[in-house]
Amino acid sequence: DAGVIQSPRHEVTEMGQEVTLRCKPISGHDYLFWYRQTMMRGLELLIYFNNNVPIDDSGMPEDRFSAKMPNASFSTLKIQPSEPRDSAVYFCASSFGSSNTEAFFGQGTRLTVV
Amino acid sequence: AQSVTQLGSHVSVSEGALVLLRCNYSSSVPPYLFWYVQYPNQGLQLLLKYTSAATLVKGINGFEAEFKKSETSFHLTKPSAHMSDAAEYFCAVSELGYQKVTFGTGTKLQVIP
Repeated sequence: DAGVIQSPRHEVTEMGQEVTLRCKPISGHDYLFWYRQTMMRGLELLIYFNNNVPIDDSGMPEDRFSAKMPNASFSTLKIQPSEPRDSAVYFCASSFGSSNTEAFFGQGTRLTVV
Repeated sequence: AQSVTQLGSHVSVSEGALVLLRCNYSSSVPPYLFWYVQYPNQGLQLLLKYTSAATLVKGINGFEAEFKKSETSFHLTKPSAHMSDAAEYFCAVSELGYQKVTFGTGTKLQVIP
C-alpha cells in the first residue's frame, strides 16, 4: 500500500478563498483523522471519522471548517472562507480497529493563506 | 481529560551520547501511550507504544521507553545517539477503547557531531 496520500502537498491561497484539502486513507482502515500543526499550538486533532461517520469534531475551530468522508477511500477538509491564521500544516492519518492501534500519517499539506 | 507534557522543547546531545526525552501523562483511566517521530517535511511515524502488556517497551531504531505509573512518566531513551536521530519527537496518550489521541508539544532533538 502507498500509505496515506494527501493532496496537494502545498497550497497558497488568498484570504477569503475556499480551500479544499484531500486525503486517501490506507485501504482497509476504518478510522480517519484530520490534524493541524502550527508552531504556536502544536498538533491538534480537528475531527475524526469511524466507518465514514464523524465521531468527534470538537477540535474544528470554527464553522468555516468542514470535513466530509463520502466513502471509505476519500475525505476532504474544507475551509471557507480562508484566513491568514489558518496557515498551518494539515495532516491526515488513518488506523484500523478500536484497540488504540497505530495511526499512519500522510505527508501533510502545507497551507499558506496570504 | 487526558494530556501529556513534554519537558524541553529542544534537546541537544553529542553523537554517541545517551538520548533522554521526557514525557509525563495525565489520565483518569489506565492510558495507552505512544512516541512518534517526525522528520522534516514528513508526517509522524510510530516509534513505540505502551498498551499495558509490559512496562518497558522497545521500539524501532534502538529506542525504548519505560512506563512508570508512580511517576506518571513515559520517558524515551536511546543508549547512543546517531546523527540520523535528529528529528522532532512527540509523546501521545489515548484511553482504552478510544481512538482519540492527544499529542504533546514535541521535543526537537539535535545531534551534535
